Amino acid sequence: DGGITQSPKYLFRKEGQNVTLSCEQNLNHDAMYWYRQDPGQGLRLIYYSQIVNDFQKGDIAEGYSVSREKKESFPLTVTSAQKNPTAFYLCASSKGGNRGNQPQHFGDGTRLSIL
Amino acid sequence: GENVEQHPSTLSVQEGDSAVIKCTYSDSASNYFPWYKQELGKRPQLIIDIRSNVGEKKDQRIAVTLNKTAKHFSLHITETQPEDSAVYFCAAHAGGTSYGKLTFGQGTILTVHP
Repeated sequence: DGGITQSPKYLFRKEGQNVTLSCEQNLNHDAMYWYRQDPGQGLRLIYYSQIVNDFQKGDIAEGYSVSREKKESFPLTVTSAQKNPTAFYLCASSKGGNRGNQPQHFGDGTRLSIL
Repeated sequence: GENVEQHPSTLSVQEGDSAVIKCTYSDSASNYFPWYKQELGKRPQLIIDIRSNVGEKKDQRIAVTLNKTAKHFSLHITETQPEDSAVYFCAAHAGGTSYGKLTFGQGTILTVHP
């Protein structure tokens, strides 16, 4: 969807380095999400945020960190503690609401590789 | 937590045939079930979704059915075309303490032969 922008498209990480993936949305969505996709596999949730200044761990949060200082931005940092970071990272957003069962719309993804 | 199983992992059909992909879920509290299509190297695109108060939903050649008792839902594509070739993912949202979380199936690679 044109309203969700991820950058960069490709990213290379050196040993011991932290890298940050950017995700910006102009859809006025309250909720934002980060997923990891490995070849031939489904999407696994890393972190999600339902509102500014609040976020929760997903199923595979170890080695990752996030912040949600602005409604439109949800950056993901892949830390040196993540020993197998090579994957396709997808950011998504959705409308809020007290049931949370709203369609999620995805960005174009960032492909992260180890140098 | 929620667990979603998707079958088959690969599906090959001739152009014009129908394709069916099935998913089962474990949490009876799940109330929202989207389907996504992902072409190689691109973002997943929402193609259809269904909520737990509905048994079936249709959009042109695509339909989704939901059986809450059996805890399974299916994607049906009729009159398949080569451009339908992609990876399809089902997902389930459990609500409650899993507020906002979608759990995805492993994906089905659909190939439509001309």
